[in-house]
Amino acid sequence: QQQVKQSPQSLIVQKGGISIINCAYENTAFDYFPWYQQFPGKGPALLIAIRPDVSEKKEGRFTISFNKSAKQFSLHIMDSQPGDSATYFCAAFTSGTYKYIFGTGTRLKVLA
Amino acid sequence: ETGVTQTPRHLVMGMTNKKSLKCEQHLGHNAMYWYKQSAKKPLELMFVYNFKEQTENNSVPSRFSPECPNSSHLFLHLHTLQPEDSALYLCASSQAPGQKSYEQYFGPGTRLTVT
Repeated sequence: QQQVKQSPQSLIVQKGGISIINCAYENTAFDYFPWYQQFPGKGPALLIAIRPDVSEKKEGRFTISFNKSAKQFSLHIMDSQPGDSATYFCAAFTSGTYKYIFGTGTRLKVLA
Repeated sequence: ETGVTQTPRHLVMGMTNKKSLKCEQHLGHNAMYWYKQSAKKPLELMFVYNFKEQTENNSVPSRFSPECPNSSHLFLHLHTLQPEDSALYLCASSQAPGQKSYEQYFGPGTRLTVT
């Protein structure tokens, strides 16, 4: 119940295409869902986050879509660029226990 | 940079060595975390400190010993490690529970290799 399932494990997209990464959770107590971007040799960096009272949040080329009834959320990267090539992690957080549960990560490669 | 620094960035140690990892945050946060990142596994929470008090020990072996002297500094003392402990060790910080911000910020990590 504490897991966050992330897919796909790896993704290859052409420059200018849309990258879509999906996550699913079981615990309805989660109340904050961030996405992190990690480049080789760096720590994860917070990219964008959403709370379950909204269905979508957009920041630049990055959009989170949130489906509360299906207990799923996804990251969309529009107009993907080679500089977006990184590993992306979804996470779920519960303010009750103040814990983050992370997905296993998706390695994105954007071809020039 | 995220305002969370970690030293050293790389560490190679033998199984009988003793070493320490250091983390410092410059964000005014009151909660600090140690995570272990292994290939193809989710980030594993190891320890949590809120206002210098340890509030979480996620069944971590005693060969890992954390220390939090103040809200800005966090250490992870290592001794008699095993090869399977080789991983990227990440420090993170956030506002303490009860605050409105849930954002967590990570340091660059220490790449640990146990030989």
